[in-house]
Amino acid sequence: AQSVTQLDSQVPVFEEAPVELRCNYSSSVSVYLFWYVQYPNQGLQLLLKYLSGSTLVKGINGFEAEFNKSQTSFHLRKPSVHISDTAEYFCAATGGFKTIFGAGTRLFVKA
Amino acid sequence: DSGVTQTPKHLITATGQRVTLRCSPRSGDLSVYWYQQSLDQGLQFLIQYYNGEERAKGNILERFSAQQFPDLHSELNLSSLELGDSALYFCASSVGGQIGSYEQYFGPGTRLTVT
Repeated sequence: AQSVTQLDSQVPVFEEAPVELRCNYSSSVSVYLFWYVQYPNQGLQLLLKYLSGSTLVKGINGFEAEFNKSQTSFHLRKPSVHISDTAEYFCAATGGFKTIFGAGTRLFVKA
Repeated sequence: DSGVTQTPKHLITATGQRVTLRCSPRSGDLSVYWYQQSLDQGLQFLIQYYNGEERAKGNILERFSAQQFPDLHSELNLSSLELGDSALYFCASSVGGQIGSYEQYFGPGTRLTVT
């Protein structure tokens, strides 16, 4: 069975501080891994994806994520957040033709 | 703007009724995916169509069905609606058919309220 766990439901952080949103997955098959962002009243937008190759993946808006196979993790990081990064972030795993999303992490950036 | 359009934006209907949600993918995309987002279930993958044929199935109820037409637009039909079907329904599209290996572009969603 496949599952995705986002370890924090909410992450408050001050502007210009670094942030890490944690994601762990489990799967009996090889997976592709994704991070999506959802701004209020909008659909999801792809931030970055890991298919194969380098384990450090860079995405849009200054975000990056590192695939760690031994720890089955795919944590999302940004060195300095902005107010505009306030949104919900979803980790997703695709394997065996099914996509599983995590429950989401609400990032709240404070001034 | 992702290029994926969904209609209607909002839909309010009563229990037991049937509704149809429509999605037009980005120009050139052959795959369409449907997702349901609710507070208690989170974001759930329902079904994928590729070039008119069903490609993958997720947690889609038997009361729900979908199809993709020759012009590649897709419809999601929800019948015998229950209060628990109230949710945001997203459509996404991608170029290829292998789910996951291609970036998915999401539409703005249809908010369904069942009263």
